[in-house]
Amino acid sequence: EAGVVQSPRYKIIEKKQPVAFWCNPISGHNTLYWYLQNLGQGPELLIRYENEEAVDDSQLPKDRFSAERLKGVDSTLKIQPAELGDSAVYLCASSLPIGTSGSTGELFFGEGSRLTVL
Amino acid sequence: AQSVTQPDIHITVSEGASLELRCNYSYGATPYLFWYVQSPGQGLQLLLKYFSGDTLVQGIKGFEAEFKRSQSSFNLRKPSVHWSDAAEYFCAVGARRGSQGNLIFGKGTKLSVKP
Repeated sequence: EAGVVQSPRYKIIEKKQPVAFWCNPISGHNTLYWYLQNLGQGPELLIRYENEEAVDDSQLPKDRFSAERLKGVDSTLKIQPAELGDSAVYLCASSLPIGTSGSTGELFFGEGSRLTVL
Repeated sequence: AQSVTQPDIHITVSEGASLELRCNYSYGATPYLFWYVQSPGQGLQLLLKYFSGDTLVQGIKGFEAEFKRSQSSFNLRKPSVHWSDAAEYFCAVGARRGSQGNLIFGKGTKLSVKP
């Protein structure tokens, strides 16, 4: 079974440039998450989708960050314009909703997209 | 609000020695509890989880963790550490309802293994 796929793995851009990250979740996982992981820190939730609906985007800085999950499968996270402080790893994860048959609430993570803003 | 504290930022143990990584959580009820491991440049891999039932849970790679409600703790243990265990370990707590699925992570404990 294929895991969560993210691209690009690494991205280096200059500040004020736009950047986009793509995520393909595990097949059948309706719930998709974007987490931000700063160096030396644990992941912090940016946004959670249930199918196409963003059900929790309270931690997403909406002035420069946007996300979409068209058709309830793949998702894209965009930053425009990027700032120096956005340098971090952006992790995508997916899961079955808790209460779904076979669900244990476990999140399955991709390998992350490491962003460096110069 | 939920929170997770991992008091130890960095731990060094000798290969073959035992290991215990501490995790304390704050939550109004019994949460879901997880331990994840992250190798450099990699995503997070689930080691084990606690949902209900037996408070001592077994995971992959010989790890186990014990849920202690009275202490709000979920410490990770391994009787004999291998060099390949060197990585960063994250404890996480999840709600059973409401924002279920949103895991709150601790800041992590980096494990180094001496030969």
